[in-house]
Amino acid sequence: GENVEQHPSTLSVQEGDSAVIKCTYSDSASNYFPWYKQELGKRPQLIIDIRSNVGEKKDQRIAVTLNKTAKHFSLHITETQPEDSAVYFCAAPRQDTGRRALTFGSGTRLQVQP
Amino acid sequence: GAGVSQSPSNKVTEKGKDVELRCDPISGHTALYWYRQSLGQGLEFLIYFQGNSAPDKSGLPSDRFSAERTGGSVSTLTIQRTQQEDSAVYLCASSNTGGGVTDTQYFGPGTRLTVL
Repeated sequence: GENVEQHPSTLSVQEGDSAVIKCTYSDSASNYFPWYKQELGKRPQLIIDIRSNVGEKKDQRIAVTLNKTAKHFSLHITETQPEDSAVYFCAAPRQDTGRRALTFGSGTRLQVQP
Repeated sequence: GAGVSQSPSNKVTEKGKDVELRCDPISGHTALYWYRQSLGQGLEFLIYFQGNSAPDKSGLPSDRFSAERTGGSVSTLTIQRTQQEDSAVYLCASSNTGGGVTDTQYFGPGTRLTVL
């Protein structure tokens, strides 16, 4: 099945700086890569996703890049703000569910220092 | 519209007891998923329902875990003879599955299960 590795596990940045979180995946046929943000005690919420027919997608301060050859994708947050502090999870489709259910990375705890 | 809802929000039980966790998906969503999140960990897939098809149970950790989905809507996850290692947050998600692509999953608030 799909294996998703996520780095780093923790990331601390100063307010206004950029943050980058990277994930690698194993299934070359994977075609959908979402990123979820989870605040303490809250549900995971989708913040951005990318499908395999594009290499980059941007939504205001958040962008995701995809390199299908290298099988990795990254989340970029620019001009970070304290409210960006949360745990971020990447994910990729599971082969054994017809690529419907997701395999998640282990998460990155982002701390934005004011 | 209303999002995914789950009940109860918290459940404390004694080792060996059975528990039932409920999920109400977004109205009209054909796919429903159960995941488990242990403290400080990522999300682990448990089971997936698509419409009226037989569920994909490939993520269930043991035969103590089962789930059903009635009428293609509400789902119940049952854990029999609970163990302390079952303590986790159980998250439900739903999606409006189209054809051929993976669709956005929307998560419920979760049920925090504590097994004493």
